[in-house]
Amino acid sequence: DTEVTQTPKHLVMGMTNKKSLKCEQHMGHRAMYWYKQKAKKPPELMFVYSYEKLSINESVPSRFSPECPNSSLLNLHLHALQPEDSALYLCASSHTNLGENYGYTFGSGTRLTVV
Amino acid sequence: DAKTTQPTSMDCAEGRAANLPCNHSTISGNEYVYWYRQIHSQGPQYIIHGLKNNETNEMASLIITEDRKSSTLILPHATLRDTAVYYCIALIKAAGNKLTFGGGTRVLVKP
Repeated sequence: DTEVTQTPKHLVMGMTNKKSLKCEQHMGHRAMYWYKQKAKKPPELMFVYSYEKLSINESVPSRFSPECPNSSLLNLHLHALQPEDSALYLCASSHTNLGENYGYTFGSGTRLTVV
Repeated sequence: DAKTTQPTSMDCAEGRAANLPCNHSTISGNEYVYWYRQIHSQGPQYIIHGLKNNETNEMASLIITEDRKSSTLILPHATLRDTAVYYCIALIKAAGNKLTFGGGTRVLVKP
């Protein structure tokens, strides 16, 4: 399995809702990432997990809460979002062994609309 | 990570080679040059990476200048499916390191 699977593909939520985005990989990658991408802009890094521990938080608002329950799963919990948080949310994973090429594998993303 | 500079957009004829330039004049000795592309509404896709030597795989070739201040990604026979945004990124190869995207080059392959 050489894929990163993200669910759901599309999500519409109200500003008072709580929802979660899910990301799963079975490539044995021990680094996982969340990116946010607005239309016609490059992806922006939000969080990095390394060996299931949060290693980088790019000053992301607390209404976004990441979770890495095990080495294959990465969640992004959403609460009290704003319409400007509408975007494509991408998950990625990569090897952590020095011998690997560190190519990041990305999922197809969850397109989130906040109404 | 070193900043990279790419043209905003370029067109390419189907079947011809596409040469995508990237400047990274402040790249450090331990930073690799990575190329990714993003086809519309999909996640970015890894293409190739290199440190000093030229590299080739089934998707593309990467030519890095001797001083490592610039590089060129070559798609040998562009197809319509190669229409995408191409990102050149300088990155230290380390566990959980940040892959930071710049503006990229929007490539349109025309029939």
